[in-house]
Amino acid sequence: AQKITQTQPGMFVQEKEAVTLDCTYDTSDQSYGLFWYKQPSSGEMIFLIYQGSYDEQNATEGRYSLNFQKARKSANLVISASQLGDSAMYFCAMREDYGGSQGNLIFGKGTKLSVKP
Amino acid sequence: SQTIHQWPATLVQPVGSPLSLECTVEGTSNPNLYWYRQAAGRGLQLLFYSVGIGQISSEVPQNLSASRPQDRQFILSSKKLLLSDSGFYLCATRQGFTDTQYFGPGTRLTVL
Repeated sequence: AQKITQTQPGMFVQEKEAVTLDCTYDTSDQSYGLFWYKQPSSGEMIFLIYQGSYDEQNATEGRYSLNFQKARKSANLVISASQLGDSAMYFCAMREDYGGSQGNLIFGKGTKLSVKP
Repeated sequence: SQTIHQWPATLVQPVGSPLSLECTVEGTSNPNLYWYRQAAGRGLQLLFYSVGIGQISSEVPQNLSASRPQDRQFILSSKKLLLSDSGFYLCATRQGFTDTQYFGPGTRLTVL
C-alpha cells in the first residue's frame, strides 16, 4: 500500500493566488516527520518545510505553510501569493522513526504546479 | 552548513557499459548518505544508504552497487548498464535536529 499519496498529478493556479497541494500518509508509528520538497525543471530537490508528528502547531516558512491534520493523516502544503517561479513539481515525503529506519524518506509521486500569469 | 557535490552532471552511456557516479559532501563528518533514482516523471526511489565508511544498505535489488571509500564520498556503480537504469540520480545527506535530507544537484543518466 502507498504510504504517501498525492492525488493531484497537476494543478493550475493564478499568479498571486493561494494554492493547496494535497498529501495523505499512512503509518502506524507515533513518531514521524513530514516534508515537502520542490523540484523545478532544473532537477534539484529543494527542501521547503518540515512538520514533526508531535508538533502541535502547523509549520510555516515564509509563503509556505503546512496544514497538518493528524487524525486525518494529511499534511497539505499551502503556498500563498503564488509566483511564476513556484511552477515546479512538489513532493511530499515522510520519515518514519522506528528503530533502524535510519531516517529514510518515503516520497509521494508528486504534483506538478503551474502558475499562470 | 553542508554542501553536496555530484559528478558528472549529465552522462550518456551505451547499454552494457560500466558506470561510476560520485557524490562528495563538505562541511560535516560521518554523514548519513543516500542515493536516490528518479525515473522520468516519477517520484524518488531510495537505492542505497550509508551510515559510515564501508557500510552500505541496499533498498532495491538491481544491477547497481554503492561504495563508501571515504567518510564524505559515496559512489554509485554498475558493471553493465541496462536501458532501465536511465534516470536522474540524486545524492542526499541528513542534517539538523529534524533529520531533514538535503540533496545534491543530481546526475542525469541516459542509457542508449
